[in-house]
Amino acid sequence: DAGVTQSPTHLIKTRGQHVTLRCSPISGHKSVSWYQQVLGQGPQFIFQYYEKEERGRGNFPDRFSARQFPNYSSELNVNALLLGDSALYLCASSLDVGGLLDFGDGTRLSIL
Amino acid sequence: EDQVTQSPEALRLQEGESSSLNCSYTVSGLRGLFWYRQDPGKGPEFLFTLYSAGEEKEKERLKATLTKKESFLHITAPKPEDSATYLCAVKLSSNYQLIWGAGTKLIIKP
Repeated sequence: DAGVTQSPTHLIKTRGQHVTLRCSPISGHKSVSWYQQVLGQGPQFIFQYYEKEERGRGNFPDRFSARQFPNYSSELNVNALLLGDSALYLCASSLDVGGLLDFGDGTRLSIL
Repeated sequence: EDQVTQSPEALRLQEGESSSLNCSYTVSGLRGLFWYRQDPGKGPEFLFTLYSAGEEKEKERLKATLTKKESFLHITAPKPEDSATYLCAVKLSSNYQLIWGAGTKLIIKP
């Protein structure tokens, strides 16, 4: 069975641009969570979605937004990119809101 | 403030040299403590969940233990393939979110 898949794997943007990251959960998983991991640090929670509704939001600015589609896939959008947004963006899926997280291998975003 | 701290930041061991990684936490309420392994360029891979003080879990050369203030990940006779960053995370009882430590980078030299 396929695990959590994320696209693209790598992305280079410049300051002020916009980016969309995509995530497909494990089949049967209805919840998707997004995390930001800066080099040398642990993941920081950004959003959780369950059944297309936002169920949690971390301490990130409004430039960050997300949505979940009827097939449970998800997008993370970041507007007005800053140098500090350079990080590994991880998507994790789970059966439900409190379920065990299965992670994808992330999207490495570099801002120039 | 809810906080998870891991130590040491990095640990270099010879193959076969046993040691322990520490995860200490100060949280308002614990729903569970998780250990994950992360290889370079990869997402975290689940290892263990612990729910109450005194609980222990084992998998191959790894054993995780939990007290009221901290968790230990013991690695016995490690091999080079055990080299990775080991992350600890706490699930809060107030919601389902995870608070993560910064990880311990473990390097096992042959």
